[in-house]
Amino acid sequence: GAGVSQTPSNKVTEKGKYVELRCDPISGHTALYWYRQSLGQGPEFLIYFQGTGAADDSGLPNDRFFAVRPEGSVSTLKIQRTERGDSAVYLCASSLSGTSVYNEQFFGPGTRLTVL
Amino acid sequence: GDSVTQMEGPVTLSEEAFLTINCTYTATGYPSLFWYVQYPGEGLQLLLKATKADDKGSNKGFEATYRKETTSFHLEKGSVQVSDSAVYFCARMGSNYKLTFGKGTLLTVNP
Repeated sequence: GAGVSQTPSNKVTEKGKYVELRCDPISGHTALYWYRQSLGQGPEFLIYFQGTGAADDSGLPNDRFFAVRPEGSVSTLKIQRTERGDSAVYLCASSLSGTSVYNEQFFGPGTRLTVL
Repeated sequence: GDSVTQMEGPVTLSEEAFLTINCTYTATGYPSLFWYVQYPGEGLQLLLKATKADDKGSNKGFEATYRKETTSFHLEKGSVQVSDSAVYFCARMGSNYKLTFGKGTLLTVNP
C-alpha cells in the first residue's frame, strides 16, 4: 500500500521567499507529525496534528513557520521569509492515532529545502 | 528537557562482527524507547521498540533492552551484514506522543 508521500522532494529557494511543503499521510491515519532534520542531527519535532487541529505546535521555531491540515488528511508546512538557517530536510510522519505509544509513526522520504 | 544521547559514529565493522550502539535517555516520566534506521536513499523506518522497563525489543537480529536503572537502550546485533549499513537513531516518546531523537550513528559494514 501507499506510504507517506512528500512533495517536492527537493526545493531550492532564495532568502526571503515563501515556501510550501506538502505531506500526504497514509490513508486513515488521524495523527500527522512534522519534523526537521538538519545535517548531522536527528529529526526534531515541529508540530503534531490530531485530525484537523494542531494538538502540539511547541516545536515550531518562530512565527515564520505555520502548518495546516484543513480536511484532516493532507498537510502543508508553510515557511515565510525563508532564512539560510531554515535549510534542512523536512520530514512528515503519520500514525493511526496520536494517542497511543503502540501506534507506529511512519515517515515519508522528506523534502530537502535549500535556502540560498 | 527530554533528550537522547547516542554513541557518535561513524562505526565501521567487518561482516559478522558484533555490534553495539550505545543510547541513554532522560528518565522524565515513563517514556517508550525506539530504534529507527535510515538506509541509504530511504526514509526512516522503525527497527524496534520497548514500552516499559525490562522490555526487550527485537527485529532482524537486532535487540535492545529497556534498562531503567541505567537509563539505557543499547542496540546490539551478534553478526552484522553488509546490508545493515545505515544510519541508526535512538528515540524516546513521552506522554506527549512526540519523538525525541538522538543525533544518529552511521554504521558501515565491509565485506
